[in-house]
Amino acid sequence: DTGVSQDPRHKITKRGQNVTFRCDPISEHNRLYWYRQTLGQGPEFLTYFQNEAQLEKSRLLSDRFSAERPKGSFSTLEIQRTEQGDSAMYLCASSLREKAYEQYFGPGTRLTVT
Amino acid sequence: QKEVEQDPGPLSVPEGAIVSLNCTYSNSAFQYFMWYRQYSRKGPELLMYTYSSGNKEDGRFTAQVDKSSKYISLFIRDSQPSDSATYLCAMIGDTGTASKLTFGTGTRLQVTL
Repeated sequence: DTGVSQDPRHKITKRGQNVTFRCDPISEHNRLYWYRQTLGQGPEFLTYFQNEAQLEKSRLLSDRFSAERPKGSFSTLEIQRTEQGDSAMYLCASSLREKAYEQYFGPGTRLTVT
Repeated sequence: QKEVEQDPGPLSVPEGAIVSLNCTYSNSAFQYFMWYRQYSRKGPELLMYTYSSGNKEDGRFTAQVDKSSKYISLFIRDSQPSDSATYLCAMIGDTGTASKLTFGTGTRLQVTL
């Protein structure tokens, strides 16, 4: 399967703990995006990378959130000192730079903060 | 007010019916209009995209965009139980400068036997 993959698929953590998620994009895609989706809502943009450069961050991305994409391949999203309000589905998507309208999503990582 | 409005449903139709799903938007900078299908606890799956105003057909699916009214639609012909899912509309501006998709809340569709 050459689609977008995410790991883990589900993470349960206690409030105050740090968590890290991984995303592997479609291999030829130079753009990688992170979105967050809560129940009954559409995905909301968090941040995106073009190759290894992080070019935009949403105001939703507080200081507790950090994302990296070393070497322009896979990406990680870390949440420090998790809060119950961080419970959501974290989605990764990828695209070619010139086709940002064709974003392909991974299966998501469902985070539950207890 | 949200940039993209979408009726959350649920919408229940019998098998074989024609389904109409709609979104309205306020940002005139949007140029590309997408429809995604999302099954429960899965990631969104891109169904089709349309550039500017007009129609686009792909099998049983037809997308329509009316930029003058800021209104987009997705029609599903001969609906099947396997079409039961949440349908999300998404939009983006000029891809030379824009990057993020702006989504509606999604409409939950149930196709019954």
